[in-house]
Amino acid sequence: AQSVSQHNHHVILSEAASLELGCNYSYGGTVNLFWYVQYPGQHLQLLLKYFSGDPLVKGIKGFEAEFIKSKFSFNLRKPSVQWSDTAEYFCAVNGGADGLTFGKGTHLIIQP
Amino acid sequence: DTGVSQNPRHKITKRGQNVTFRCDPISEHNRLYWYRQTLGQGPEFLTYFQNEAQLEKSRLLSDRFSAERPKGSFSTLEIQRTEQGDSAMYLCASSSRLAGASKYEQYFGPGTRLTVT
Repeated sequence: AQSVSQHNHHVILSEAASLELGCNYSYGGTVNLFWYVQYPGQHLQLLLKYFSGDPLVKGIKGFEAEFIKSKFSFNLRKPSVQWSDTAEYFCAVNGGADGLTFGKGTHLIIQP
Repeated sequence: DTGVSQNPRHKITKRGQNVTFRCDPISEHNRLYWYRQTLGQGPEFLTYFQNEAQLEKSRLLSDRFSAERPKGSFSTLEIQRTEQGDSAMYLCASSSRLAGASKYEQYFGPGTRLTVT
């Protein structure tokens, strides 16, 4: 069975700080990797995805993520966060099954 | 572009009652998924349809839960004899009929929040 671990459940940063949210998964085969974001009062939105090719993928709103196969990781990064990035962030993996397996999420608060 | 819609958005029911939720996927999407999300957790996969065929079911989907997608368009999720542990957000997602990995790119609806009293 596949599983996803997000290391930080709550992160508080000041505006303009750099962000890195950790995500590790367990699955030995080929995987598709996703980051979803849920802004307050809104539904889950796809932030970025990795299927194959360049392990550094860019998503919306200046976010990027790097797939490191040897570390089973897919960390999310943003060089300079904004107050509007306050949200819940979920890492998800799909490998060997059609449903997504999600991590528990990271609640990110950006202080102005 | 119409996204995934779910109805109702909120449902309060008494323990032991049956409830039914509806999901309308993005119109050109042939894949439909149901998830459950409880407080402090990420969504957990329940079941998956390709067109009208239910192809995958999680062991989370007890025999009190049943999902249908009779015409390959909208789907319903019914919970019989609800229990307090069923209180959660029920999410629906859809993905396209494209070949390759893009078919795994899922778009989520706003969810139905169920409270069992």
